[in-house]
Amino acid sequence: GAVVSQHPSWVICKSGTSVKIECRSLDFQATTMFWYRQFPKQSLMLMATSNEGSKATYEQGVEKDKFLINHASLTLSTLTVTSAHPEDSSFYICSARDLVGSLYEQYFGPGTRLTVT
Amino acid sequence: GEDVEQSLFLSVREGDSSVINCTYTDSSSTYLYWYKQEPGAGLQLLTYIFSNMDMKQDQRLTVLLNKKDKHLSLRIADTQTGDSAIYFCAESDNAGNMLTFGGGTRLMVKP
Repeated sequence: GAVVSQHPSWVICKSGTSVKIECRSLDFQATTMFWYRQFPKQSLMLMATSNEGSKATYEQGVEKDKFLINHASLTLSTLTVTSAHPEDSSFYICSARDLVGSLYEQYFGPGTRLTVT
Repeated sequence: GEDVEQSLFLSVREGDSSVINCTYTDSSSTYLYWYKQEPGAGLQLLTYIFSNMDMKQDQRLTVLLNKKDKHLSLRIADTQTGDSAIYFCAESDNAGNMLTFGGGTRLMVKP
């Protein structure tokens, strides 16, 4: 099946620094990637939809200047948390939709746990 | 906006059947999904159902959809300890875009 990887799997950073999280589709091309955030014991919340070669579409309440998304190729999307603060600590999960696959299926990455101290 | 709700917790004994329930409010939902999340991991798509279907069976998994009541259920037959995880239901529109997830049901399987 389609595989999506995320790097790093976990990261600890100091308040005020920026952190970049990568999401890669390993064996397929993804025109669309999605970024989710999951708080402990809670559900996933969609942050933004990223289309290759165009600007990401952010969900209401998500600061686009804080969560920078770049989808420069068909296999890579990055999420940069700028000037991170402790409240940004969370589990970030990406998903990717296959270019030629079914619209209904998204493949999820294993997630990146971010801790801001 | 759309709302998807699930019960928080379910405990069953190994070998029994598990039934996880989900309700949703968006009548335009076209696809409904069940995902499994093990501790510290991402989501694994278990199965999905189109809104024009009533039932779908895939090995030990049976999905039932009552579109009138906007109720979705996942039945796991012969539940095993390896089935212990959090199960999320989700719905999307006909473009397969934005998924709206329920809060997740934590399934605990006792040996």
